Amino acid sequence: AQSVTQPDIHITVSEGASLELRCNYSYGATPYLFWYVQSPGQGLQLLLKYFSGDTLVQGIKGFEAEFKRSQSSFNLRKPSVHWSDAAEYFCAVGGSGGANNLFFGTGTRLTVIP
Amino acid sequence: GAGVSQSPSNKVTEKGKDVELRCDPISGHTALYWYRQSLGQGLEFLIYFQGNSAPDKSGLPSDRFSAERTGGSVSTLTIQRTQQEDSAVYLCASGEALTSHTQYFGPGTRLTVL
Repeated sequence: AQSVTQPDIHITVSEGASLELRCNYSYGATPYLFWYVQSPGQGLQLLLKYFSGDTLVQGIKGFEAEFKRSQSSFNLRKPSVHWSDAAEYFCAVGGSGGANNLFFGTGTRLTVIP
Repeated sequence: GAGVSQSPSNKVTEKGKDVELRCDPISGHTALYWYRQSLGQGLEFLIYFQGNSAPDKSGLPSDRFSAERTGGSVSTLTIQRTQQEDSAVYLCASGEALTSHTQYFGPGTRLTVL
């Protein structure tokens, strides 16, 4: 069965500090992996995606993520967090089979302190 | 270009009433998805439309939920005889599915059932 686990419900970091948000997935076929960000009262904005090729993918707003098949992980990183990065972050997995709908994790809420 | 739009942005209704939520996808996108986001939860897939194919309704939680997509564009999600547990944010996404697998989300409709 497909599933996504985001083990950290809430993370607090200082502005300028580095960030890593964890994501583990379970998927029976070749996974397509996504990170979305949701600011309060907003819809989801795509940060980055992995389909194939280079396992380190770059996204918008200075974010990157690394696909590690052996660990079934797709962790999101940013070297220096800005106050505007405070939001909810969702990892999602989809694939080539079925209806192409995405399976989402429950999200990680990021708080940035000055 | 214009993104996915949803209306209304907020809807308050009384238990037992019917509600209709509207989604205008990005022009040219053949795939359209509805998700539900309950408080503290990830996104739950509801229904998927792809072109003129029969929709995948596998995520609809009960027969009180239905959706249609007219002319391959605008979609309406209808909830009949609303219950308090239907209170959530309903998100619509569109995409090119067969070529991209990337979904672009609207801002959502927050439904509150009193």
